[in-house]
Amino acid sequence: AQSVTQLDSHVSVSEGTPVLLRCNYSSSYSPSLFWYVQHPNKGLQLLLKYTSAATLVKGINGFEAEFKKSETSFHLTKPSAHMSDAAEYFCVVSVSGTYKYIFGTGTRLKVLA
Amino acid sequence: EAGVAQSPRYKIIEKRQSVAFWCNPISGHATLYWYQQILGQGPKLLIQFQNNGVVDDSQLPKDRFSAERLKGVDSTLKIQPAKLEDSAVYLCASSLARDRERSQYFGPGTRLTVL
Repeated sequence: AQSVTQLDSHVSVSEGTPVLLRCNYSSSYSPSLFWYVQHPNKGLQLLLKYTSAATLVKGINGFEAEFKKSETSFHLTKPSAHMSDAAEYFCVVSVSGTYKYIFGTGTRLKVLA
Repeated sequence: EAGVAQSPRYKIIEKRQSVAFWCNPISGHATLYWYQQILGQGPKLLIQFQNNGVVDDSQLPKDRFSAERLKGVDSTLKIQPAKLEDSAVYLCASSLARDRERSQYFGPGTRLTVL
């Protein structure tokens, strides 16, 4: 069965410093993986997705993620945090054949001035 | 391109009352999803439609929750009667059937408070 584990429930960084949000996945098949962001009182917005075409995936707002099969990881990074990045981030795996999403428990990113 | 629309944005009801939520997906998106997001948790899929047929409703509490998607476009989710534990944000999402990765696009959600 597919699943994702977000290793940190809360992450705090200073503005201008790098961001790392960690996600490990479990899948019997080649997975489809996504990162979504949710700002307060807003819907979920797709940041990026892994499509098996390239292991380094670039998304919106300067975010990127690297698919590492050997480590079963799909960590989200950004070189320099901005105050507007403060939000909840969800790692998602899509169940093969059904396209059903399995969400991680989320990581709340706090950006300090 | 217009996004996924949901209404109402907020709803407060007493327990044992009924409530309905409405969703209008992105034009042309054949697949529609309803999720329940309890505070502090990730969204949980309640039901998935492909056009107007149900693909997956295994996590829908069918004794109190119902959903329909008439004509394969708009959808409504109903709770009758509501319980305190139904307090959550209800998210609607849609995706293109022909998108192999089936990226889902979410609406702003309806925040339900059951008193």
